[in-house]
Amino acid sequence: NAGVTQTPKFRILKIGQSMTLQCAQDMNHNYMYWYRQDPGMGLKLIYYSVGAGITDKGEVPNGYNVSRSTTEDFPLRLELAAPSQTSVYFCASTRGGVGTEAFFGQGTRLTVV
Amino acid sequence: AQTVTQSQPEMSVQEAETVTLSCTYDTSESNYYLFWYKQPPSRQMILVIRQEAYKQQNATENRFSVNFQKAAKSFSLKISDSQLGDTAMYFCAFILTQGGSEKLVFGKGTKLTVNP
Repeated sequence: NAGVTQTPKFRILKIGQSMTLQCAQDMNHNYMYWYRQDPGMGLKLIYYSVGAGITDKGEVPNGYNVSRSTTEDFPLRLELAAPSQTSVYFCASTRGGVGTEAFFGQGTRLTVV
Repeated sequence: AQTVTQSQPEMSVQEAETVTLSCTYDTSESNYYLFWYKQPPSRQMILVIRQEAYKQQNATENRFSVNFQKAAKSFSLKISDSQLGDTAMYFCAFILTQGGSEKLVFGKGTKLTVNP
């Protein structure tokens, strides 16, 4: 069982560069989420999606974009990377329905220099 | 705004002892679930326990139990017979259902160290 797969695991970007963090799940989950985890700050919701073609902003969407063209994939795009985007990024998915467990990817550690 | 507050950034406990991690939350919704997730040094997030807001009985999973006080909006996690493998970050979270959509919201976490 692959679960939620995130790539890459680590990345160093220069200021102003762009990149896409990939997230794929094989559990046919409707809901997918992107979080960032800064030291001592817990997980902050960037974007989420309730199904293919539907996305919505979370707490900290500025500087990011997402798309959900299929149920399986939920890529996160960083345009014009800034040092403030240095963080660990987690993708998660749930089947949907109150109380269902969230499954997480292993995280992507991104450093912007 | 829906928020989750974990007031203890770090805690430590001796092996085999009991420790309680605190969590308070704020929501105007009546239908929600509460969760505790564990994040060991491997970074993998693992569900520890969940509680439905409509259920008065506190959830229990082996050595892990919660004290859910709905009126006080409090959801603490008790770990009994602490083991070295319990060393991790612990996050309190809740999932809201609003207009057919769901959001999973986390607290800042508590770093727990179990000492031998």
